[in-house]
Formats: sequence, structure tokens, C-alpha cells
Amino acid sequence: QLQLQESGPGLVKPSETLSLTCTVSGGSISSSSYYWGWIRQPPGKGLEWIGSIYYSGSTYYNPSLKSRVTISVDTSKNQFSLKLSSVTAADTAVYYCARHQGSGGGIYYYYGMDVWGQGTTVTVSS
Amino acid sequence: SYVLTQPPSVSVAPGKTARITCGGNNIGSKSVHWYQQKPGQAPVLVIYYDSDRPSGIPERFSGSNSGNTATLTISRVEAGDEADYYCQVWDSSSDHPFWVFGGGTKLTVL
Repeated sequence: QLQLQESGPGLVKPSETLSLTCTVSGGSISSSSYYWGWIRQPPGKGLEWIGSIYYSGSTYYNPSLKSRVTISVDTSKNQFSLKLSSVTAADTAVYYCARHQGSGGGIYYYYGMDVWGQGTTVTVSS
Repeated sequence: SYVLTQPPSVSVAPGKTARITCGGNNIGSKSVHWYQQKPGQAPVLVIYYDSDRPSGIPERFSGSNSGNTATLTISRVEAGDEADYYCQVWDSSSDHPFWVFGGGTKLTVL
């Protein structure tokens, strides 16, 4: 059974870079059928997609965050990572990683995000 | 950018039918997915491709999509269905397509 697990610092200072990793177990991140994404949820608010990556390194980013976001993949470790630069208090949220279908040609938008990590809380504060 | 509009809250008595709407410009031309999120938990996909149910999701959950409104219907509502529900679509209207979520609807079982 595929499982995703987020990890990283729970506290980040303003203006610094938030770094998180999602470890995939029970399956291969190099599967040709999936994209791997990051989604966040500020306290008491809704879900916001940050971006997604294919095992080959192909990425899609939320235009509103694109200038500050880098998502990368390490197939040897079965992990993918998120870096969000110049963080402010508005970036305080629970960060989730999730899987959704796609191929080298792009995301299969008729399928949703079927496997999620449990989420990790990141607080931006000095 | 594409906007999905959901009612903030919906209330329903146990055993009745709950309908949660998701409004968007010509949303009927898009594939809509629905997620259930209980407090302190990660979202769970309950409907994809407008009306398909993932394995393990009860038949009480169904979906429809037409015109400017998609609807998640929960029949014979149970106390355990109390949760936040989010709709989602892929907005490919620009050179930079992206996933969009609705603002979420809190379902209260009376």
C-alpha cells in the first residue's frame, strides 16, 4: 500500500526558505503514471495547490507562488522536495504531499489526488 | 484565474440527503473532483471525474456536473459524514495550467 510521509522543520524564520521532503513508500516514485504534488492549508482555511512534479523532473506550479517555489525529485531516495523562499507569516500552514495521475505528456486532469500524506505543520515566526 | 464557489456551510439531518454545490464558469466542461476532510486529517478523494467513486467510498456519495454547477450528493447522511468538503478542477485556460480548489463547505449533521 502506497504511503507518503512529509518531513522537515516545523519552524521557519521570516525571509528564510522553507524546505520539506515527501518520502514515498510501498511504491516507486519513478512510476510513469503519476505526478507528485504539494498542497497547503493555512490554519482554519482551505486547500491551496503549490505545484507538482513528474519523476523525469517536469513540473507545474501555481502561478501565484511560482516565483518562490522549487519542487525537485530524487528517484534514488524515492523522495520529492519543496522549497519555498522568502517566507512570511502568510506561509504558515499544514503542508501535504499527494499523488495524482499523469504521464510524460502532462497531468491527467480527469483523475484527482488519490493518496495523501498525513501533513506537516510549518510555522513562520521569528 | 478560474474561481470555484462553494457555500460555506450545509446542514442536514441524519438519514436525509445533503447536496453541496461548486460553482464555476462553464464548470460542466471540466472534470470535477471532491474531497472530504475531517478535523486534523488529510483530505480523502470521494468523487473524481464528476461522478466516479474511488474504491472504498460508499455508494451514498455521488456527483454530477452540468452548466455552471457541480454537485456532490450524500444520501442517507450519517454522523460520520460531518466534515469539510472541497471541489477541485484543473484550470487549463492559460499557458500555466494549475489545480484550483473551491473554498470548502462545512457539512453539519444535525
